[in-house]
Amino acid sequence: GENVEQHPSTLSVQEGDSAVIKCTYSDSASNYFPWYKQELGKRPQLIIDIRSNVGEKKDQRIAVTLNKTAKHFSLHITETQPEDSAVYFCAAKRSGYSSASKIIFGSGTRLSIRP
Amino acid sequence: EAQVTQNPRYLITVTGKKLTVTCSQNMNHEYMSWYRQDPGLGLRQIYYSMNVEVTDKGDVPEGYKVSRKEKRNFPLILESPSPNQTSLYFCASSPGTSGDNEQFFGPGTRLTVL
Repeated sequence: GENVEQHPSTLSVQEGDSAVIKCTYSDSASNYFPWYKQELGKRPQLIIDIRSNVGEKKDQRIAVTLNKTAKHFSLHITETQPEDSAVYFCAAKRSGYSSASKIIFGSGTRLSIRP
Repeated sequence: EAQVTQNPRYLITVTGKKLTVTCSQNMNHEYMSWYRQDPGLGLRQIYYSMNVEVTDKGDVPEGYKVSRKEKRNFPLILESPSPNQTSLYFCASSPGTSGDNEQFFGPGTRLTVL
């Protein structure tokens, strides 16, 4: 079945440095790729998403890149700050009103920012 | 305030005792979904609903039932809970029918099955 692999499972970076989290997916028909951030004890919240007709998307310090040929996408956080400490989840799904509308999440990356 | 609510927030029960976790959203979203979150496994989709009376299985539907009689409500039913269903459960809703838009999550329900 469909699968999304996420690496690394834990990541520790110095405040101010960049962090990169990578995901690979198995379903070549996937065309929607969101990233969610979950702070300790809180619910997941969308931070950025990308669709397959776009190769890169940026929102201030956060960017996502997509390589459809290789079936992988990555989250890039620049100038990391203490409030970036959280668990990050990637996900992949097909788009469209059909039975293939389920969402597959990666297993998560726990990001810690060292002061 | 636009939100997704879940009840109860915490529940301890025993094996085999039927339970229902309610989920309600006030954003007029068509797409609703249930997830379970377990350490090291991330979020796994249990069931989703693209609209009223339309539901489909996610990745881990075994042991769960859902219904979508009204747009705003999407209850999760465990007919005969077992200890392996001990988990943190999240309900979510999303605009549109396909689910490829931002998911708005509820606060979560922590379920323990003894």
